[in-house]
Formats: sequence, structure tokens, C-alpha cells
Amino acid sequence: EDQVTQSPEALRLQEGESSSLNCSYTVSGLRGLFWYRQDPGKGPEFLFTLYSAGEEKEKERLKATLTKKESFLHITAPKPEDSATYLCAVRVLYNFNKFYFGSGTKLNVKP
Amino acid sequence: SAVISQKPSRDICQRGTSLTIQCQVDSQVTMMFWYRQQPGQSLTLIATANQGSEATYESGFVIDKFPISRPNLTFSTLTVSNMSPEDSSIYLCSVGLAGGTGELFFGEGSRLTVL
Repeated sequence: EDQVTQSPEALRLQEGESSSLNCSYTVSGLRGLFWYRQDPGKGPEFLFTLYSAGEEKEKERLKATLTKKESFLHITAPKPEDSATYLCAVRVLYNFNKFYFGSGTKLNVKP
Repeated sequence: SAVISQKPSRDICQRGTSLTIQCQVDSQVTMMFWYRQQPGQSLTLIATANQGSEATYESGFVIDKFPISRPNLTFSTLTVSNMSPEDSSIYLCSVGLAGGTGELFFGEGSRLTVL
């Protein structure tokens, strides 16, 4: 069964304390893996797309990486404004319209 | 990217009533979807809104409960029928762009509370 698992469920960091969020997936054929940021009361905001193992994408303090089984979202020297829920999703080869979402990691960065 | 507007942004509804959520996109899109996000949980796909034909529903969701219209390539509605407190959720419209890198873009969501 195709599924996406994110860990940890919640993460508290001090400002400047780098860390990583994990997204592990089990799918029969990966078309793409996507990272989103969601602020309270808002819709998810697209961050990155990764297609193949070894690929990396960066944006400001965020860096996403992909292996054959998991993806990491690395946060370097986070700031309080990075506090949000981070969602990952996978798109599968056999169903073009199907995205499987993880349950998210709620990140809280304290000043 | 795409700008997606949803109405209403939030509403409080009585049990047994129905509510229609509107989704307007600022450009023509081929793929349009409706998701549900229950409190503290992730996103669950309700259905794919197909232009000019009946929506394609995921397992556990039926047309009688969640009728969907998509009269053109920029607009869709989702109705939540005969609501119960279990329908209290955020409902999200999302679109995929032809020629893009495959990601979905989301509206701000419609937060429904059913009393």
C-alpha cells in the first residue's frame, strides 16, 4: 500500500538551531515528491519538487534532499518566521492525479 | 503559479443544512481537486473536478454527500450536503498547471464548523 510518513510530528527549536525533518515513502512508482509549508488557517504553500534520488533543492534556509526511500527537509539556522507545519506529498506513476500527503511536522522556532 | 480564491473563507452551519464552496482560479487549468483537512490531520482527496463531466470521487466520498460542479476551466464548486458535526473541516481547492513541474497549488481553504 502506498503511504507517506513524516517524523517527528512536532519539533521545537531555538532560533539558529539547525535540524532536519523526515519524509519516508512507500510507493510502487514515484513520479515526484513535493514539500509544502502550511501556516495556521491557510492553504499549503508549495516549496520544492524532487524527482529522482540524489536530487537536492534549496531556498533560503531550507534544503530538500531525496533518496529512494525518503526525503529530508534541512533547516539551517532557523528563525521564528520559519514556524509552520511542513507537509510532504508524493505523486505516483500509475495515477496521474493522486497525491499522497504525510501528516506533517509542526515546527516551532523560539527566539 | 496560480491565484486561487475560495468563498466562503469560514462559516458556521447548522446540522442538516448544506453549504456550497466556490473556487475561482485566475487562469485556465486542466486539473482541479477538492481536499479535506480535518483538525490536526493531513489532506485527504475528496474528488477530482472534471470540466464538462461528472467528478471522480475517492473511496469513502460519494456524489450525494459532496456534489461538485465544474462548468469551465477556471471555476468549481463543492457542496457539503446534510451536514453533521463530523463534516467540520477545512475544505481546500487545488489546481495543477499544464506544463508545470507537477506540483499542486492550493487556495486558502474554507473552514466549516457544523453545530
